[in-house]
Amino acid sequence: QSALTQPPSASGSPGQSVTISCTGTSSDIGGYNYVSWYQQHPGKAPKLMIYEVTKRPSGVPDRFSGSKSGNTASLTVSGLQAEDEADYYCSSYAGSNNWMFGGGTKVTVL
Amino acid sequence: QVQLVQSGAEVKKPGSSVKVSCKASGGTFSSYSISWVRQAPGQGLEWMGRIIPFLDIPNYAQNLQGRVAITADKSTSTAYMELSSLRSEDTAVYYCTRGGAAPYAFDIWGQGTMVTVSS
Repeated sequence: QSALTQPPSASGSPGQSVTISCTGTSSDIGGYNYVSWYQQHPGKAPKLMIYEVTKRPSGVPDRFSGSKSGNTASLTVSGLQAEDEADYYCSSYAGSNNWMFGGGTKVTVL
Repeated sequence: QVQLVQSGAEVKKPGSSVKVSCKASGGTFSSYSISWVRQAPGQGLEWMGRIIPFLDIPNYAQNLQGRVAITADKSTSTAYMELSSLRSEDTAVYYCTRGGAAPYAFDIWGQGTMVTVSS
């Protein structure tokens, strides 16, 4: 199984929005509504930001939102803030008790 | 609040094995899944496998079948990941993480354990 496909980088100015895509197949993203997104700052463990495509855990700002169309999921960060600069990873359930991650996207706040 | 605390850094020789522990504190252990995820230096995340302690049945990523073993000790709320036949490409930070109230996502993460494979 290959990793899910994410762009290596994305950027935006403070207050702007940035959207990160995550492309898989009908066997993972397209087959289940179990896409999640993780934020990782350098040297830290990942943090869950979105689960089940659109849901936010308690404590995650509503500036973070998720969506899905077909085999592609997206994470949008609105009103970019300096602390949003991090690596972001998508993940999807891939059936048969298997999970996949994307290669990661580095978000830079200009 | 549940916390996952992992064992310390390891340096191993090629061909040897490593066993990393992950102890849960502050909440229920057996009814949630524990997955292991690794991250090679400068690289992305890779799901390795998982176990649901009360079922005691592990699942493994296909590319690691035969080299990885995930176990759980309900009496001590500790999960273990053992990787054998180590090679340099196994050098990575290894994380344990919980599949919690949203069972298909990973809501709580350990602090990570650096495993270095070097001759």
